[in-house]
Amino acid sequence: ETGVTQTPRHLVMGMTNKKSLKCEQHLGHNAMYWYKQSAKKPLELMFVYNFKEQTENNSVPSRFSPECPNSSHLFLHLHTLQPEDSALYLCASSLDSGIYEQFFGPGTRLTVL
Amino acid sequence: KQEVTQIPAALSVPEGENLVLNCSFTDSAIYNLQWFRQDPGKGLTSLLLIQSSQREQTSGRLNASLDKSSGRSTLYIAASQPGDSATYLCAAAYSGAGSYQLTFGKGTKLSVIP
Repeated sequence: ETGVTQTPRHLVMGMTNKKSLKCEQHLGHNAMYWYKQSAKKPLELMFVYNFKEQTENNSVPSRFSPECPNSSHLFLHLHTLQPEDSALYLCASSLDSGIYEQFFGPGTRLTVL
Repeated sequence: KQEVTQIPAALSVPEGENLVLNCSFTDSAIYNLQWFRQDPGKGLTSLLLIQSSQREQTSGRLNASLDKSSGRSTLYIAASQPGDSATYLCAAAYSGAGSYQLTFGKGTKLSVIP
């Protein structure tokens, strides 16, 4: 595997389900990001992790819970989501959270019924 | 709050035509500006990154310019091809509370007609 990978690529869940999104980067980077892309809205930054420590939480509801066990892996745990949470969730990584180019994964298309 | 605007929202051109995509940003205190390409249902592919001290960057048929004073960037695509059809996003990099953050525009959806 190369670059940034995300699994699953597609996910359909009910509002009472609990699921997790996974991101893995194979670039030796130290910063990882979660973004949300909703229809007709710009990409929104959700969380930033630098060297496994969370450095940004852009007022994201608590039903989204990130986890970064090491610099290569990032998870987004989902529970009791709403239909308006349906979106493309993108993961990115960079050398660190300074002024470095971000590399994006293919995204997970989430549908909440 | 920083805002990035992209005009037009959609553009359709015949193959072979040269075209310009526009991006404007409200805060000139950017670190850099990045152009991305996004194919339907896919992630983002970085095309060009212009540092705040630079005026332009070129890669193949793509040329991106940056004018911080006017808050504008343009992406020029020469001799467009059907394979260029995608959504093009620009993102301005700013310093956030704990990290440097990208503020994205909504994108321009480009269709190149054979």
